[in-house]
Amino acid sequence: GAGVSQSPRYKVAKRGQDVALRCDPISGHVSLFWYQQALGQGPEFLTYFQNEAQLDKSGLPSDRFFAERPEGSVSTLKIQRTQQEDSAVYLCASSLHRSGTGVYNEQFFGPGTRLTVL
Amino acid sequence: GENVEQHPSTLSVQEGDSAVIKCTYSDSASNYFPWYKQELGKRPQLIIDIRSNVGEKKDQRIAVTLNKTAKHFSLHITETQPEDSAVYFCAASSPRRSNDYKLSFGAGTTVTVRA
Repeated sequence: GAGVSQSPRYKVAKRGQDVALRCDPISGHVSLFWYQQALGQGPEFLTYFQNEAQLDKSGLPSDRFFAERPEGSVSTLKIQRTQQEDSAVYLCASSLHRSGTGVYNEQFFGPGTRLTVL
Repeated sequence: GENVEQHPSTLSVQEGDSAVIKCTYSDSASNYFPWYKQELGKRPQLIIDIRSNVGEKKDQRIAVTLNKTAKHFSLHITETQPEDSAVYFCAASSPRRSNDYKLSFGAGTTVTVRA
């Protein structure tokens, strides 16, 4: 079946512009994660959804970052008033995990959106 | 929060030799440790994972070991091949709440297999 998809794959924004990054998780996956990957670094956690509920947003670097998953499937990460330090690859991952099972499920990653802020 | 350190940052091996990557973690509550392989410009892909109730796991040429007391885990690749060249990331998950399985990643190891 189809894997996790993200769009756009590349985004160039002028400093101060708002951007919206989309993630389509694998159908039926309950959990959805956003990570930020700076050049030459490992992914860093931004936020986590279980269905439509945003259960953890502790990794969002500022209030300029906002994520939503209104119907429990597609998710959008929005960055307002972009800054140069926002330049990175934004990765989305989904997993089948259901609450209360205590069982870990593999996180499947999308190809990422490379954001460049000029 | 969880802090994962990974060594070495780069590793060059002769084809057919073994490669070992080591990671340490800080949170004793961590109980899930996946390893991801990321080729240039591609998405991270899970290659193997281990849970804290297991000390070692093997899958063909890949093995992972876990030492909970010392809080470190390692990836071993035997009989390396050119297609093993990639960046490898270790990660740890320490859910504080029952539904949060976010991963904390190491900085990555760039493995180059010389033909």
